[in-house]
Amino acid sequence: EIVLTQSPGTLSLSPGERATLSCRASQVVSNNYLAWYQHQPGQPPRLLVYGASTRATGIPDRFSGSGSGTDFTLTISRLEPEDFAVYYCQQYGNSPQTFGQGTKVEI
Amino acid sequence: EVQVVESGGTLIQPGRSLRLSCTASGFPIGDYAVTWVHQAPGKGLKFVCLITSKADGGTTEYAASVRGRFTISRDESVNIAYLQMNSLKTEDTGVYYCNRWGHWGRGTLVTVSS
Repeated sequence: EIVLTQSPGTLSLSPGERATLSCRASQVVSNNYLAWYQHQPGQPPRLLVYGASTRATGIPDRFSGSGSGTDFTLTISRLEPEDFAVYYCQQYGNSPQTFGQGTKVEI
Repeated sequence: EVQVVESGGTLIQPGRSLRLSCTASGFPIGDYAVTWVHQAPGKGLKFVCLITSKADGGTTEYAASVRGRFTISRDESVNIAYLQMNSLKTEDTGVYYCNRWGHWGRGTLVTVSS
């Protein structure tokens, strides 16, 4: 199965700053079927980006995804207070689908 | 509005069986793939299993850790997907989320402990 490694494990930033999260796959992700989720405690995961770079419905444009093959990035251009959460990448192009271990974005 | 709601989680002893439900509204459950995802306490998200849409043959896929113990199914007459969990282990403890692409429930907590 494809192993997704996210870095860094924790990102300590302030509101208004830029966040850059990395997700590296152990093999090429088919069709760049790579998604990013935001997960707040007690809430369901929220789909942010799919297909590596397509924002999901209703997601603010400060969130952007990029990358292809084995290296992917989620960028949050200017952090808002509600953006402090755990972020997961997920590949769904190869069976079984797999998740990264998460990056915590904290104040 | 598309919504999925999980239920059935409880405290249960190792080795016992449990069935979780994922009740869908706003869409016919047979028309979409449905996935179960597990989050152990303090850990990340892990794929458990999925069932594809009717159009894609309704095929199922399982994580290696649950294959042979868990079974995913759906009942279109009541618009519910199920996760039958047999031979439960302590490491199965955690929140189980049901999702249809882009739409997740709030999860249901399963605690496997003697």
